[in-house]
Amino acid sequence: GENVEQHPSTLSVQEGDSAVIKCTYSDSASNYFPWYKQELGKRPQLIIDIRSNVGEKKDQRIAVTLNKTAKHFSLHITETQPEDSAVYFCAAKWAGSYQLTFGKGTKLSVIP
Amino acid sequence: DVKVTQSSRYLVKRTGEKVFLECVQDMDHENMFWYRQDPGLGLRLIYFSYDVKMKEKGDIPEGYSVSREKKERFSLILESASTNQTSMYLCASKWDRANTEAFFGQGTRLTVV
Repeated sequence: GENVEQHPSTLSVQEGDSAVIKCTYSDSASNYFPWYKQELGKRPQLIIDIRSNVGEKKDQRIAVTLNKTAKHFSLHITETQPEDSAVYFCAAKWAGSYQLTFGKGTKLSVIP
Repeated sequence: DVKVTQSSRYLVKRTGEKVFLECVQDMDHENMFWYRQDPGLGLRLIYFSYDVKMKEKGDIPEGYSVSREKKERFSLILESASTNQTSMYLCASKWDRANTEAFFGQGTRLTVV
């Protein structure tokens, strides 16, 4: 089955700096890569996703890049703010499957 | 707005008890999922259902079973609760097999004593 590795497990940045979280996946048939944000005590929510026919996608201060050859994808957050502090999960889904396979999560702390 | 609702936010059960965790979604989604969330281990899939009465094992099904008698409701059952099943349980639903968003419930924190 699919395996998703996520790094780092914790990340601290100063407010205004950029944050990068990286994930690798094992199944070359994976074609969908969402990122979820889970604030403390709340449910995970989708913040951005990318499909395998696209190399990069941006939404305001967040962007995701995908390198299919290397089988890795990354989340980039620019101009970080305290409200970006949360646990971020990457996930992968291979074509034809129903389920997402999640990474172990990255706890991002933005220091004011 | 899609709503995925789990019946309890917190539960405390005794070892050996049969435990039911309920999840209801209001958007006519075909697919529903049960995940377990533990610190450092992320979200691990226990079981999922792609249609009424249909179920598939996920990565960690041992000690669990599920039931989906109606499209909107997906139940997770711990046949005989054990202390190593103390965890946060998250239900999720999505429209179908396509690459679309999964919506999560608020989670049930289960403690087995």
